[in-house]
Amino acid sequence: GQQVMQIPQYQHVQEGEDFTTYCNSSTTLSNIQWYKQRPGGHPVFLIQLVKSGEVKKQKRLTFQFGEAKKNSSLHITATQTTDVGTYFCAGRGGYQKVTFGIGTKLQVIP
Amino acid sequence: DVKVTQSSRYLVKRTGEKVFLECVQDMDHENMFWYRQDPGLGLRLIYFSYDVKMKEKGDIPEGYSVSREKKERFSLILESASTNQTSMYLCASSLEQRNQPQHFGDGTRLSIL
Repeated sequence: GQQVMQIPQYQHVQEGEDFTTYCNSSTTLSNIQWYKQRPGGHPVFLIQLVKSGEVKKQKRLTFQFGEAKKNSSLHITATQTTDVGTYFCAGRGGYQKVTFGIGTKLQVIP
Repeated sequence: DVKVTQSSRYLVKRTGEKVFLECVQDMDHENMFWYRQDPGLGLRLIYFSYDVKMKEKGDIPEGYSVSREKKERFSLILESASTNQTSMYLCASSLEQRNQPQHFGDGTRLSIL
């Protein structure tokens, strides 16, 4: 079945440093979604990428979808303490079924 | 704004009990999902439903069943709870169209003693 691998599992950064998390799928995806889960909270949808090679930005966050539609990344520039949380990618292969990566837990040290 | 409500935030049950976790959404979404979240394992799909009375197995359906009698309600049932089912359970819903995001409830932290 479809597998979505996400690395790293944990990342500690100093406030102001950059951060990147990567997702790789075993199969070609029709789209990939990114979610953020704050400590004690539930996952909240951030963005969706659909096109091969697509790049989208949300303020300090940059999302990329690979040319082969099998990998994706989320990059945060100049992290802030409000960026703390776990970031999940979720890849859609078959009809309606989405497979989540295990998430990257980001800790920002003030 | 979409509201997905899970009936309990915390729940403690005993081994062998039949456990019901309830989820209600208020946005007329066709799709509903049940996940469990465990440290180091991320979100794993247990079951999902794309219509009333329809259900599909996810990646880890063993030991669970579901019920969707009404569009807004999706129930997860642990037929005979075991300690390895201690986990955080998250319900989500989405519109039917392919590229729609999932909206999550706050989760139920279930402990099986």
